[in-house]
Amino acid sequence: QKEVEQNSGPLSVPEGAIASLNCTYSDRGSQSFFWYRQYSGKSPELIMSIYSNGDKEDGRFTAQLNKASQYVSLLIRDSQPSDSATYLCAVAPNQAGTALIFGKGTTLSVSS
Amino acid sequence: GAVVSQHPSRVICKSGTSVKIECRSLDFQATTMFWYRQFPKQSLMLMATSNEGSKATYEQGVEKDKFLINHASLTLSTLTVTSAHPEDSSFYICSAQKQGVEEAFFGQGTRLTVV
Repeated sequence: QKEVEQNSGPLSVPEGAIASLNCTYSDRGSQSFFWYRQYSGKSPELIMSIYSNGDKEDGRFTAQLNKASQYVSLLIRDSQPSDSATYLCAVAPNQAGTALIFGKGTTLSVSS
Repeated sequence: GAVVSQHPSRVICKSGTSVKIECRSLDFQATTMFWYRQFPKQSLMLMATSNEGSKATYEQGVEKDKFLINHASLTLSTLTVTSAHPEDSSFYICSAQKQGVEEAFFGQGTRLTVV
């Protein structure tokens, strides 16, 4: 069974620090990876996608992918209290029209 | 952009009644839509995959006669919770995919409370 694993947290960081969120996946053939942010009581929101090995930066967010290690990470620089949320890692199965496989999410708490 | 609109955002219904939730893709055609349920402080649970013009595919353990899904057009899927009971109270979320694109775009979610 294809799985996506994340530490549930909570991960607590002070305001201004770098938050590092990690994810591993079981299907070596996966090609597409996503990070979603979910605030309490709200639905998930796509914040990053990554398809190639290496880093992809978007503002304060950097996604990192290492397919050989089956590892995806999300770095949040200059963390703000508004970044406090649950971050979901998602992997696309290699089959069109099938649902993304989500991890259980890591809860991030940024203290001011 | 890729906007998915879900309605209603909140609904309270009496036990034994049915509730319909709509999920619309506003600026793209969604060949596939997905329905999820999420209990408090728990992860997303996929309920079913809905393809336009065909029967939905339900995940193991999800009662297809209780959770009726209709995907009548490329922009609209509906989930009807029939004969609702208090244990059906949950946060229901739809997501939609564009053809050929793997990322999913989520609706705002529907908070269902059955009293």
